[in-house]
Amino acid sequence: AQSVSQHNHHVILSEAASLELGCNYSYGGTVNLFWYVQYPGQHLQLLLKYFSGDPLVKGIKGFEAEFIKSKFSFNLRKPSVQWSDTAEYFCAVNAPGTYKYIFGTGTRLKVLA
Amino acid sequence: GAGVSQSPSNKVTEKGKDVELRCDPISGHTALYWYRQSLGQGLEFLIYFQGNSAPDKSGLPSDRFSAERTGGSVSTLTIQRTQQEDSAVYLCASRLGGVNEQYFGPGTRLTVT
Repeated sequence: AQSVSQHNHHVILSEAASLELGCNYSYGGTVNLFWYVQYPGQHLQLLLKYFSGDPLVKGIKGFEAEFIKSKFSFNLRKPSVQWSDTAEYFCAVNAPGTYKYIFGTGTRLKVLA
Repeated sequence: GAGVSQSPSNKVTEKGKDVELRCDPISGHTALYWYRQSLGQGLEFLIYFQGNSAPDKSGLPSDRFSAERTGGSVSTLTIQRTQQEDSAVYLCASRLGGVNEQYFGPGTRLTVT
């Protein structure tokens, strides 16, 4: 069965610090990978996605993620965080052509001004 | 265009009462999902609709939970004889057939007292 692990449950950073949030999945086949973000009081929205091709994916607001197949990982990065990046971040995996999405437990990021 | 909407946004109910939660997906989206979001638990898959049929109800926690979708559009999640452990945020998401990206609604926060 598919599963997604986000090992960092809470992360606190100062503004301008670099960010890397871990995401590991367990599934032997081809996968689609997603990062969603939930800002305080707002609904979940897509940050970026990987289906195929270049394993380095760029999303909105300066975020990027790298798919490393050998490590079953899809870590989220941002070189310099802002206070407005305070949110909860969810990693998700889906097998192409199937309907089910498996989400990680989320990482709460707090950025100190 | 309009996104996914859910109502009510908040619901407080007494233990033992029945509740109905509503989801209006994006027009034309054939796939619809219900998830439950509990603190520290991530997103728990409840049920998936393709059109009006629900090929996967495996995530419904008990027979107190049921859902239907009519006209390939609006969906209702019903929880009978609510229990305190049902307290959570219930999220709805829709997806256009053949496309992998889900769009989430704002959720319904259910509190069972």
